[in-house]
Amino acid sequence: GIQVEQSPPDLILQEGANSTLRCNFSDSVNNLQWFHQNPWGQLINLFYIPSGTKQNGRLSATTVATERYSLLYISSSQTTDSGVYFCAVNRDDKIIFGKGTRLHILP
Amino acid sequence: EADIYQTPRYLVIGTGKKITLECSQTMGHDKMYWYQQDPGMELHLIHYSYGVNSTEKGDLSSESTVSRIRTEHFPLTLESARPSHTSQYLCASSEVAGGTQYFGPGTRLTVL
Repeated sequence: GIQVEQSPPDLILQEGANSTLRCNFSDSVNNLQWFHQNPWGQLINLFYIPSGTKQNGRLSATTVATERYSLLYISSSQTTDSGVYFCAVNRDDKIIFGKGTRLHILP
Repeated sequence: EADIYQTPRYLVIGTGKKITLECSQTMGHDKMYWYQQDPGMELHLIHYSYGVNSTEKGDLSSESTVSRIRTEHFPLTLESARPSHTSQYLCASSEVAGGTQYFGPGTRLTVL
């Protein structure tokens, strides 16, 4: 099956810093989603991005499908950005999640 | 934005009990999913449904069962809970297969 690898596994940053999270996948996919899981366990969909670039406020994402990776950019980090960021890919209606990047923003 | 609800949010029960975790969504989505997630770990798909009277097992083997009698309702049942079932269970829905998924708040289950 498709392998989804996220890096880095853990990231600790000072408030105000910028960060880039990466998601690599081992085969072609139909689409890709980025999620944020807050410390209370709620998963929020950030981007549905099979290819190209999207932006939403301080967050943006780029997927290069031909090279099988996606990047999530967080600018001017805030403490509320803390949590786990998951990448999930879809192929043949099967959705596979990566192991996530644990982000901790220090005040 | 989909509205999707799960109850209970937290459940602590003894071994051998039968439990049902409830999931409902109000957006009329045909596709619904159950995931199991251990603390700090990735999500694993355990069940999904593409419509009424349609249910399939996911990639992670689970002793739980599901039903889909109504579009908006996708309950998960454990006939005899065991400590190994301790985990967080997340329900999600989407308008189309492989489309944007919207998650409920989850049920944290602890089996003593």
